[in-house]
Amino acid sequence: EAGVAQSPRYKIIEKRQSVAFWCNPISGHATLYWYQQILGQGPKLLIQFQNNGVVDDSQLPKDRFSAERLKGVDSTLKIQPAKLEDSAVYLCASSLALDSLYEQYFGPGTRLTVT
Amino acid sequence: GQQVMQIPQYQHVQEGEDFTTYCNSSTTLSNIQWYKQRPGGHPVFLIQLVKSGEVKKQKRLTFQFGEAKKNSSLHITATQTTDVGTYFCAGTRDMRFGAGTRLTVKP
Repeated sequence: EAGVAQSPRYKIIEKRQSVAFWCNPISGHATLYWYQQILGQGPKLLIQFQNNGVVDDSQLPKDRFSAERLKGVDSTLKIQPAKLEDSAVYLCASSLALDSLYEQYFGPGTRLTVT
Repeated sequence: GQQVMQIPQYQHVQEGEDFTTYCNSSTTLSNIQWYKQRPGGHPVFLIQLVKSGEVKKQKRLTFQFGEAKKNSSLHITATQTTDVGTYFCAGTRDMRFGAGTRLTVKP
């Protein structure tokens, strides 16, 4: 079974630039999550999708971050414009369903450096 | 919102020693999940606890859920170098992760 795919793996941009991350979840997984993990901290949930609908985006800085999951499969997370404090690893995860009884499978992450 | 705290932040042990990390929530948890993240890697699911007072074992790992479902612990018996990594707990209601306990093991 293929795992969660993410690209790019690394990205370096200057502040005020834009960046986009892509995630392809495990086939058949209805729920998709985007997390931000700052060095030395635990993952912080940014947004959660169930199929192509948003379940929770309460911690997403909506003035600069946006995410979509068209067709309920792949997802993109965008930052525009980026700030220095956005430097982090952005993790995508998927699970079989919304029910919290299901484990999450994480992708390898995208390491973003904002200079 | 739900706050999940983990202690200790760091733990360095000699190989063969035991290790315990604790997870405490400000609110009652529905379920709790534990993940392990190796250095440079991504979190990998270890286990989920659902019932009050539940205890689950995976080889040398023992997971416990408190009676009030506000705390949990992970205990590793006789640590090995392969146990190195950061252990996170997460409350599943809003997937709020603790800051993790980073374990290093000296051979």
